Amino acid sequence: KQEVTQIPAALSVPEGENLVLNCSFTDSAIYNLQWFRQDPGKGLTSLLLIQSSQREQTSGRLNASLDKSSGRSTLYIAASQPGDSATYLCAADTGRRALTFGSGTRLQVQP
Amino acid sequence: DARVTQTPRDKVTEMGQEVTMRCQPILGHNTVFWYRQTMMQGLELLAYFRNRAPLDDSGMPKDRFSAEMPDATLATLKIQPSEPRDSAVYFCASGLVVASGPTEAFFGQGTRLTVV
Repeated sequence: KQEVTQIPAALSVPEGENLVLNCSFTDSAIYNLQWFRQDPGKGLTSLLLIQSSQREQTSGRLNASLDKSSGRSTLYIAASQPGDSATYLCAADTGRRALTFGSGTRLQVQP
Repeated sequence: DARVTQTPRDKVTEMGQEVTMRCQPILGHNTVFWYRQTMMQGLELLAYFRNRAPLDDSGMPKDRFSAEMPDATLATLKIQPSEPRDSAVYFCASGLVVASGPTEAFFGQGTRLTVV
């Protein structure tokens, strides 16, 4: 059974800092990995999807990498802004097309 | 602006009452998922459908939960009878699954259920 872990559970950084959020998964036979953002009381917004054949994906200030052999993915946020404050969730698809989620990293960017 | 629509956004009900949550997936998506989010358990998969057929509902308590897709534009999740432990945010998501290629899941805003 796939298990997804996210570290740290919470992170507070000053505005402008570059930061890395970590995600690990136990079953390396993943089909793809998806990163989401969730604002308080809101739904999930898809940020990036990395296919199993890819090493990384980029969107604006966000870059997500995937290392299947080590069971890890990272989300890199460059030049963080207060508007980036949210909970970030990673989720793995092991081929059945449904996602197994980590518990999330709650990010606070201080102005 | 294609998006997944869920109703109601909030629901407060008394224990023992029936609750029905509705979801309109993105037009053209062939897969619909139901997830539940709680502080203790995080996001858990309850059930999902492909082309309106149930593929997996192993995450649902069978005695009180049921999920259906009456047509391609509507998915429902029912709880009967509801219990306080069912209090959570229920999310619907949809995606387009093709034989070759990943499935990106798009989530609705959720239904916040409180059972008192």
